[in-house]
Amino acid sequence: LAKTTQPISMDSYEGQEVNITCSHNNIATNDYITWYQQFPSQGPRFIIQGYKTKVTNEVASLFIPADRKSSTLSLPRVSLSDTAVYYCLVGDMDSGNTPLVFGKGTRLSVIA
Amino acid sequence: DADVTQTPRNRITKTGKRIMLECSQTKGHDRMYWYRQDPGLGLRLIYYSFDVKDINKGEISDGYSVSRQAQAKFSLSLESAIPNQTALYFCATSDFVGNTDTQYFGPGTRLTVL
Repeated sequence: LAKTTQPISMDSYEGQEVNITCSHNNIATNDYITWYQQFPSQGPRFIIQGYKTKVTNEVASLFIPADRKSSTLSLPRVSLSDTAVYYCLVGDMDSGNTPLVFGKGTRLSVIA
Repeated sequence: DADVTQTPRNRITKTGKRIMLECSQTKGHDRMYWYRQDPGLGLRLIYYSFDVKDINKGEISDGYSVSRQAQAKFSLSLESAIPNQTALYFCATSDFVGNTDTQYFGPGTRLTVL
């Protein structure tokens, strides 16, 4: 599976839109992209998943360019409660026999 | 996720003791995982199981063992605990549906080895 690279940390003020970009240069044709969110002392939870173009749900949007070598998680108008670690993962659609790798994630700090 | 439970939630033990952490799930998933998390190091996979008869080592399996007693139960053992195994441990479950794999995590077990 493709290795992912994302910033270690980001700061934002409340009410701003936050974009976290993940690089996955070696993504394969049958790989999909998933983002998880982890609050302190809790397990990660799934927030959004996509294969190409744009996906939007009630929590976030995921933008994936045509070459799929990167993806951007967009959080609209963040609040203090969005302070968390965000993980970008790449998974294999064909068999899923390789477990997902979480890495260190991006620590987002939202400031009042 | 309340469908994934871990016991105990907190445990303090001494070096050399045998410790078992238990995980149960009611989601009916075939796949279960054990991770550990240390400050600044993200989540690292210890062991995983894709069905009851399947056990696989993750990236940091040394010093740990697991048992998949049933589809719903996956336990992690530390045969002889050492201080650098002090960490937050998470169990997770998933099912490969629709060509994607989404994991659901338990609340975690905070283990301290003195």
